[in-house]
Amino acid sequence: GAVVSQHPSWVICKSGTSVKIECRSLDFQATTMFWYRQFPKQSLMLMATSNEGSKATYEQGVEKDKFLINHASLTLSTLTVTSAHPEDSSFYICSAPGGGGAVADTQYFGPGTRLTVL
Amino acid sequence: AQSVSQHNHHVILSEAASLELGCNYSYGGTVNLFWYVQYPGQHLQLLLKYFSGDPLVKGIKGFEAEFIKSKFSFNLRKPSVQWSDTAEYFCAVGTGGFKTIFGAGTRLFVKA
Repeated sequence: GAVVSQHPSWVICKSGTSVKIECRSLDFQATTMFWYRQFPKQSLMLMATSNEGSKATYEQGVEKDKFLINHASLTLSTLTVTSAHPEDSSFYICSAPGGGGAVADTQYFGPGTRLTVL
Repeated sequence: AQSVSQHNHHVILSEAASLELGCNYSYGGTVNLFWYVQYPGQHLQLLLKYFSGDPLVKGIKGFEAEFIKSKFSFNLRKPSVQWSDTAEYFCAVGTGGFKTIFGAGTRLFVKA
């Protein structure tokens, strides 16, 4: 099956710094990728849709200037958490869809990145 | 608003017991339906999916789910669980625009 990787798997940073998380599709091209945030004991919350060659689409309530998304190529999307604060500590997961069509197909998930902001 | 509701947050079963996890969604348009599973320390992965056709779909590891359109439900079942089924299970709905909406998840613990 399709493989999606994320790097780093865990990052600890000081409050006020910026952190970049990479999401790569290893054996397929992804014009679209998704970024989710997962709080402990809660479901995945879609943050934004990353689009290769165009601006990301953010979900309501997600600050686009806080969470910068760049879809640099057909296999790479990055999420940068700018001026991170402790409340940004969370588990960030990316995914890439496996098929086309008008309705969302199977998602292939990365392993997630745990961000801890001190 | 679009939403997915999973009925149980935690389920504890003994091995060989039968499993049914409830899932209901609210969305008026065409949907694809999924169950994903996350084993401890592993990625989320697809368990099964429904796009069209036979509303009873079979997935990996003996799981199956039934789509009941009139009830907006897509319940997951397994006749006899094993200890290795201990995991978190997410119901998800794929909607237009490639969006996938997830339920809150159900943590299943199977006692050996």
